Amino acid sequence: GNSVTQMEGPVTLSEEAFLTINCTYTATGYPSLFWYVQYPGEGLQLLLKATKADDKGSNKGFEATYRKETTSFHLEKGSVQVSDSAVYFCALTGLDTGRRALTFGSGTRLQVQP
Amino acid sequence: GAGVSQTPSNKVTEKGKYVELRCDPISGHTALYWYRQSLGQGPEFLIYFQGTGAADDSGLPNDRFFAVRPEGSVSTLKIQRTERGDSAVYLCASSSLAESGEQYFGPGTRLTVT
Repeated sequence: GNSVTQMEGPVTLSEEAFLTINCTYTATGYPSLFWYVQYPGEGLQLLLKATKADDKGSNKGFEATYRKETTSFHLEKGSVQVSDSAVYFCALTGLDTGRRALTFGSGTRLQVQP
Repeated sequence: GAGVSQTPSNKVTEKGKYVELRCDPISGHTALYWYRQSLGQGPEFLIYFQGTGAADDSGLPNDRFFAVRPEGSVSTLKIQRTERGDSAVYLCASSSLAESGEQYFGPGTRLTVT
């Protein structure tokens, strides 16, 4: 079945540091890949997505590239802010195989200190 | 416009009791999903509706769990004979078929079984 593996947190960084959160996946076919974010006290919201190999998703300074050869979708940001502190979830769907439900990783908590 | 809403936001019940959790999706979204999120974990899929019918219920853990969506909008997740292990945050999400798997999440219902 489908699965997503993320690096364990918490990840603690100083403001303006570079961020990488690793995500690898196992899936049949050609899944669509997502990063969702959960800010403190708020619901899950989509951060970015990529639907085919070599696509780069980007939003709010965050980027992730769909790498089929390494089955990875690592999240990066060049300069984090305190307001980026949240839990980040990597996820996939198997739309090409009719599997519409999201399969999530376990989440990575990011703490950015001023 | 209005997002996905869920009621109640918190529910405390005794072991063995019956509970109902409600989800109001974004207007016009034909797809509706239920997920369950335990502390420190990513959401886990329970059931997916396309219109009024359950298109995929492979995530329901056992026959104590049941969900309906009689008119293709509001959905109710029903849990019979609750157990302490059912304690979690129950999330609802909706999407339109045209959005490449992008799902919009509600704030969740925190269920505590004592």
